[in-house]
Amino acid sequence: AQSVSQHNHHVILSEAASLELGCNYSYGGTVNLFWYVQYPGQHLQLLLKYFSGDPLVKGIKGFEAEFIKSKFSFNLRKPSEQWSDTAEYFCAVSFGYSTLTFGKGTMLLVSP
Amino acid sequence: DTGVSQNPRHKITKRGQNVTFRCDPISEHNRLYWYRQTLGQGPEFLTYFQNEAQLEKSRLLSDRFSAERPKGSFSTLEIQRTEQGDSAMYLCASSLVPTNSGNTIYFGEGSWLTVV
Repeated sequence: AQSVSQHNHHVILSEAASLELGCNYSYGGTVNLFWYVQYPGQHLQLLLKYFSGDPLVKGIKGFEAEFIKSKFSFNLRKPSEQWSDTAEYFCAVSFGYSTLTFGKGTMLLVSP
Repeated sequence: DTGVSQNPRHKITKRGQNVTFRCDPISEHNRLYWYRQTLGQGPEFLTYFQNEAQLEKSRLLSDRFSAERPKGSFSTLEIQRTEQGDSAMYLCASSLVPTNSGNTIYFGEGSWLTVV
């Protein structure tokens, strides 16, 4: 069955530290890849997406993600964290033209 | 603001009662999705519509759940004879029909259900 795995359920960082959140999926066919963020008390918002082309995609607020097809991965990165990045981050994959399958999420806490 | 609106935002109901949630998608979007999210989990797919047609239903959608999108615009999700295990956030989302270029799904703020 198709699935999405996020490696860390909770991450705690200090401001200015770099961030990398792991995401792996299981499916050998065409995929569309997404990272969503949910700030406290707010709805899911799209951070970035990959459909095709350059495997390094840039999103809002300085986030980027790299699609590595051979590793079935789509890790999220940011070089310097801010306190305002405290939120829950979800990796999501659509397999072929199907609906989105989400990972369980990673709660990120950035301490000032 | 994503443009997908849901109401009510919060609902507390007694076990055994019926509840209905409404979703208004982004106006030009012909696909509408329902997801459920519980604490500590990512959103789980329940069902989706393309225009009026309900094209896919998850095994999570028991017989007590029914979703409709009668005119291809707004949708309702009804839960009959609610159980405590139904307590969750019910998320609605919408998108255009996917193309070779992919599509982006936009989420509403969700409707919190608490069954007591």
